[in-house]
Formats: sequence, C-alpha cells, structure tokens
Amino acid sequence: AQSVTQPDIHITVSEGASLELRCNYSYGATPYLFWYVQSPGQGLQLLLKYFSGDTLVQGIKGFEAEFKRSQSSFNLRKPSVHWSDAAEYFCAVASGGSNYKLTFGKGTLLTVNP
Amino acid sequence: EAGVAQSPRYKIIEKRQSVAFWCNPISGHATLYWYQQILGQGPKLLIQFQNNGVVDDSQLPKDRFSAERLKGVDSTLKIQPAKLEDSAVYLCASSGLERQGEQYFGPGTRLTVT
Repeated sequence: AQSVTQPDIHITVSEGASLELRCNYSYGATPYLFWYVQSPGQGLQLLLKYFSGDTLVQGIKGFEAEFKRSQSSFNLRKPSVHWSDAAEYFCAVASGGSNYKLTFGKGTLLTVNP
Repeated sequence: EAGVAQSPRYKIIEKRQSVAFWCNPISGHATLYWYQQILGQGPKLLIQFQNNGVVDDSQLPKDRFSAERLKGVDSTLKIQPAKLEDSAVYLCASSGLERQGEQYFGPGTRLTVT
C-alpha cells in the first residue's frame, strides 16, 4: 500500500529565509507525486506535481520540488519565504492507472516570522 | 471558471442525528471525490465517482455513510447516524480528463458532532 511521511509537523522560518519541507513516500511502482497547500478555512490548492521526466518541477508561487527516486523523497523548496506562505502543506502520492487515488501525508504547518 | 462548491460550510449536530453535505464540481469534470480530514491529519479518501458510477469506496464506512451522484454532476454525502468521531472537515474535489491527476478542492464542510 502506498504511504507518505512528512517528518516535520511544524516549521518556523523568518520572512525572506529559504524553506525546505520534507516528504518521503512508499510506493512499489513509479509514483505520481503532489504538493498541496491549505490556508486556514480553505480547501487544498495544488502547488505542483511530478508524473515523469525532469525530476525538478516548478510550481506556482515560486515553489519547486525535486523527485529523488533513490531516497524516495519529494521535498518542497522555496528560496525566499513570504509572510503569505504561512499555511499547512501536504505531500501526496497517487497510484497509476486511471483513478489517481491520492494518499496524503499528515501535513507540515509553516509559520513565518516577520 | 467557477471552482468546486460545497454547502453548508459549517454544521453542528448531536450524535445519532443525520447530516448531508452537497458538492457541485467544476463544470465538465467527470471525476468527483469525497475526503474526510480529521484535525491534525491529511485528507483521507472516502469515495470516488467517475460520472455517476463508483470507482472506489473501500474506505467509506458503509454502515453509516452513503454517497450518490445521480446525474453525474452534483453529489451528496450523508451520515446517519453520526458519531462523535465523525467530527471533521469533509472535502469535495473534482478532476477532468484534460489535466488528469490534478484534483481541485472545494472549501470543505466543517462538521462538529456533540
């Protein structure tokens, strides 16, 4: 069965600092990987996805993520964090085929200090 | 393009009562998902529809939860009778054939069972 681990429950960074959120997955075949962001009281918004090809993927809001098969990781990065990036971030893995069933990690809450 | 709509946004009920949630997906999206998000956890898939047929309901507690998508558009999720542990946010998402794998989420319904 597929699973996702986000080791950090809560991360605090200063505005302007760089950010890396960790994600490890478990899946037998080539995974489809996603990062979503959830602001308080809001639904989830897709930041970026990896299906195949270039292992460094660019997303919205200046985020990027790198797929490393050897480490079963898909870490999310941003070079300079803005106060508006404070939110909860979820990594997810989907099985292949036609139904794209998502399994989410437990999330990482990001706090941004001024 | 209008997003995924859900109602109500908030609902408070007593245990053993029944409740229903409504979802209207993005126009033209054939696939519709219902997720349950318990506080402090990532969303968990309850049921997935393709048009008006069920693709996956393996994690739906069928003794108390039911869902339908009669005309392949709107969907309702019902809980009867509710238990305290059903307190959660219920998220609806949809996806289309043109960008497979990308799920678009509604704002969710926050259910509190007392």
